[in-house]
Amino acid sequence: AQSVTQLDSQVPVFEEAPVELRCNYSSSVSVYLFWYVQYPNQGLQLLLKYLSGSTLVESINGFEAEFNKSQTSFHLRKPSVHISDTAEYFCAVSGFSGGYNKLIFGAGTRLAVHP
Amino acid sequence: DTGVSQNPRHKITKRGQNVTFRCDPISEHNRLYWYRQTLGQGPEFLTYFQNEAQLEKSRLLSDRFSAERPKGSFSTLEIQRTEQGDSAMYLCASIDAGTDYEQYFGPGTRLTVT
Repeated sequence: AQSVTQLDSQVPVFEEAPVELRCNYSSSVSVYLFWYVQYPNQGLQLLLKYLSGSTLVESINGFEAEFNKSQTSFHLRKPSVHISDTAEYFCAVSGFSGGYNKLIFGAGTRLAVHP
Repeated sequence: DTGVSQNPRHKITKRGQNVTFRCDPISEHNRLYWYRQTLGQGPEFLTYFQNEAQLEKSRLLSDRFSAERPKGSFSTLEIQRTEQGDSAMYLCASIDAGTDYEQYFGPGTRLTVT
């Protein structure tokens, strides 16, 4: 079984400041890792994913996340945030044991970017 | 590719009534998932289909819940004798299992039980 812990329920930050959203997971099998974003009144959108290979993955809008197997973490970072980054961010894992499986989500982190 | 669609977007019902939601996945996707998201929480897995076969059900899916995907295309989720605790956002996602790893989510159906 897998579980995900997002350590911060809310993160307030000023525009153009750096931000880190923390995610830790537990699993007895190899996992795929994902960050999804949910803007107000919209559905979930995939932000980035780690499947294999390089432990640092990047999104097209400046976010990056690093898979750390020893610390079972997949923290999300952005060096300079914009007002438009205000949203709910969900970390998710999928256990890989012979096939792709359901997503297990964390409780979410609400990022609030202030001018 | 018009994305995953869900209907209705909002549903208000009285306790004890039955409700049914529909999900239309991306056409070539063979796997379909249902999740439930309550306020302040992340989505929780309910069930999934590989084509028309329902392969896994969460213990969250009580006997009052039933899901179908009769022709391996659209899916329905029915809740019988709704309770106030059923109030949540019900999300559907689809994927072309075997060729992709990204689940594509619909906008959800928000259920309010009064």
